[in-house]
Amino acid sequence: AQKVTQAQTEISVVEKEDVTLDCVYETRDTTYYLFWYKQPPSGELVFLIRRNSFDEQNEISGRYSWNFQKSTSSFNFTITASQVVDSAVYFCALSEGNSGYSTLTFGKGTMLLVSP
Amino acid sequence: AAGVIQSPRHLIKEKRETATLKCYPIPRHDTVYWYQQGPGQDPQFLISFYEKMQSDKGSIPDRFSAQQFSDYHSELNMSSLELGDSALYFCASSTRQNQATNEKLFFGSGTQLSVL
Repeated sequence: AQKVTQAQTEISVVEKEDVTLDCVYETRDTTYYLFWYKQPPSGELVFLIRRNSFDEQNEISGRYSWNFQKSTSSFNFTITASQVVDSAVYFCALSEGNSGYSTLTFGKGTMLLVSP
Repeated sequence: AAGVIQSPRHLIKEKRETATLKCYPIPRHDTVYWYQQGPGQDPQFLISFYEKMQSDKGSIPDRFSAQQFSDYHSELNMSSLELGDSALYFCASSTRQNQATNEKLFFGSGTQLSVL
C-alpha cells in the first residue's frame, strides 16, 4: 500500500528565510509519480510539480526547488527567500502505476506560515 | 486557459437532505476524479470515471453515487447527509490521450459543503 508522510505539521519562518518541507513516501511499485500541491487559505489546490520515479533530476522553478532521492524515498521541497504569499498548506502526494493518474494518496500536509 | 469548473462553490444542507455537486472537466479531458477533504485533513479519493465508466473507487460511502455524462461532466450525488459529510469536495480532470506530455492533474476550486 502506498503512503506519504509529511512529518512537519506546521512551520513558521520570517520573510526571506529559506524553508524545506519534507516528504517521505512508501510504495511497492517501481513506476510511480510524486506531486506537490499548494493550498492557500482560499482553499483551491494549486499544482506545483509532478515527477516520475525514473527521473531523479532535481528541479528548480524560480524560488522553488525539489530534491528527489529514491535511495531515501524522499521528495523534499525548498522555498528560497520565502514571502508572505507563500503561506499555505503544502501537500505531497503519490500515485502508483504506469498511468500516472491513478488515485493520489496525499500526505497530511505541512502548514507554512511566513511572517513579515 | 479553461480550468476545471465546480458548482456550486458553497452549499449548505440540513441533515438527511440530499446534495448534488457538479464538475465540468477541462475540454477534451476524459477522466474525472472526486476527492473529499475534511476540515484540517488531507484530500481523500472517492471515485473516478474514464469515458463515462467508473474506473476506480476509494472511500466513497454507499450513500454517495456519481456518474460521468456524455459531455464528460460529472455529478456527485449525496443522500441522507450527515454532519460528518461537511467537507471540501474537489474534482480533478485529466486525459489518457496524451499521457506523455500531459503532466498536470488539474483540480477545481472545490465545493464547500456544510451540513447543519
